[in-house]
Amino acid sequence: SQQGEEDPQALSIQEGENATMNCSYKTSINNLQWYRQNSGRGLVHLILIRSNEREKHSGRLRVTLDTSKKSSSLLITASRAADTASYFCARGSSNTGKLIFGQGTTLQVKP
Amino acid sequence: EADIYQTPRYLVIGTGKKITLECSQTMGHDKMYWYQQDPGMELHLIHYSYGVNSTEKGDLSSESTVSRIRTEHFPLTLESARPSHTSQYLCASSEYPTGTQETQYFGPGTRLLVL
Repeated sequence: SQQGEEDPQALSIQEGENATMNCSYKTSINNLQWYRQNSGRGLVHLILIRSNEREKHSGRLRVTLDTSKKSSSLLITASRAADTASYFCARGSSNTGKLIFGQGTTLQVKP
Repeated sequence: EADIYQTPRYLVIGTGKKITLECSQTMGHDKMYWYQQDPGMELHLIHYSYGVNSTEKGDLSSESTVSRIRTEHFPLTLESARPSHTSQYLCASSEYPTGTQETQYFGPGTRLLVL
């Protein structure tokens, strides 16, 4: 895919465990954003990391960015059943001025 | 929750009908977007607008059209719906008119089924 890849496509864990999702991309970026989507709903913005940043935290979320490898990861610590959702990374391209979304990772957290 | 609204939430119509999907935001954002998303798949940008009287086609070709007569309102119209238009349509907005790609705020989506 020209948009990049997210892996895994699906992830199932027990409550309390950590969940890690990865995102790779192919073109240069201004920033990378992570969004969450509950089934049948719109997306909710979680966190934005700029191209000159390497790590960012927000509550139980930790995002890293490695521009040399063109990859990012989202870590959710101490997961809860309510974290069950699809998670999308979105790249802000320095060429087009638009956001490009990945295909997402579906996370299931079992109680 | 963002102040961006979409109606209807669900729509089932027959082939050949004209439909308009409504999107409104109360945040005063200049940039607005329409995405198409099939179940379990990524979002594809089909239209966007940088402000009143500005509309552009997105990365995915679409037979739909949009208009932007007021800042808060960005409706999407299908002149003659077909089964291939069955999908979820998501509207979004963001704050800045130009420059870097900032946070987008999404509406709840419209699920369209064309029979």
